[in-house]
Amino acid sequence: DGGITQSPKYLFRKEGQNVTLSCEQNLNHDAMYWYRQDPGQGLRLIYYSQIVNDFQKGDIAEGYSVSREKKESFPLTVTSAQKNPTAFYLCASSPRPGGRDEQFFGPGTRLTVL
Amino acid sequence: SQKIEQNSEALNIQEGKTATLTCNYTNYSPAYLQWYRQDPGRGPVFLLLIRENEKEKRKERLKVTFDTTLKQSLFHITASQPADSATYLCALDATGGFKTIFGAGTRLFVKA
Repeated sequence: DGGITQSPKYLFRKEGQNVTLSCEQNLNHDAMYWYRQDPGQGLRLIYYSQIVNDFQKGDIAEGYSVSREKKESFPLTVTSAQKNPTAFYLCASSPRPGGRDEQFFGPGTRLTVL
Repeated sequence: SQKIEQNSEALNIQEGKTATLTCNYTNYSPAYLQWYRQDPGRGPVFLLLIRENEKEKRKERLKVTFDTTLKQSLFHITASQPADSATYLCALDATGGFKTIFGAGTRLFVKA
């Protein structure tokens, strides 16, 4: 099955800890994205990558980091510098970057800081 | 500043009626507009994409219009069913073309 997967589904973190959220796609898409969704708000872009070994900050990149060493993988690290990390995190991919193509979303990871 | 607005109030309609959702935007000139469906606790699922030179697009019971003069898109679900109950998000390609900006979504409830 072609698709995009995220793990874990639920993640609990103590304050001061870094955590890494996994995102993998086997759709052979060039572009990948990380979004954060808070209740009653739209998806806010954290980071995006148009191609392997390249990524750009989105609108709310502070306290987050990413890597794109392989085409199929785009992990997101939530660092201790992120002041309010409790949220629903969504990873997505598209054949080409930008709004010309539909985005395929993973099932999401719900992060809770204890 | 660039802004996308979707009605934050939930839309409640009776089964069999047509649901109409609105997406307004300001300070954008998007070339593409997309609609997604999101169920609670899940990732959004793509429904339709419409280009700036297209006035209307249909897919089964779904219809999207795109009025670049009014800076508005309307999303219609005809013969609505309880299974259509979900949050519907509109999305635009941002200036520069490398990012997509999402609205906050409108929650639709279809009663049997």
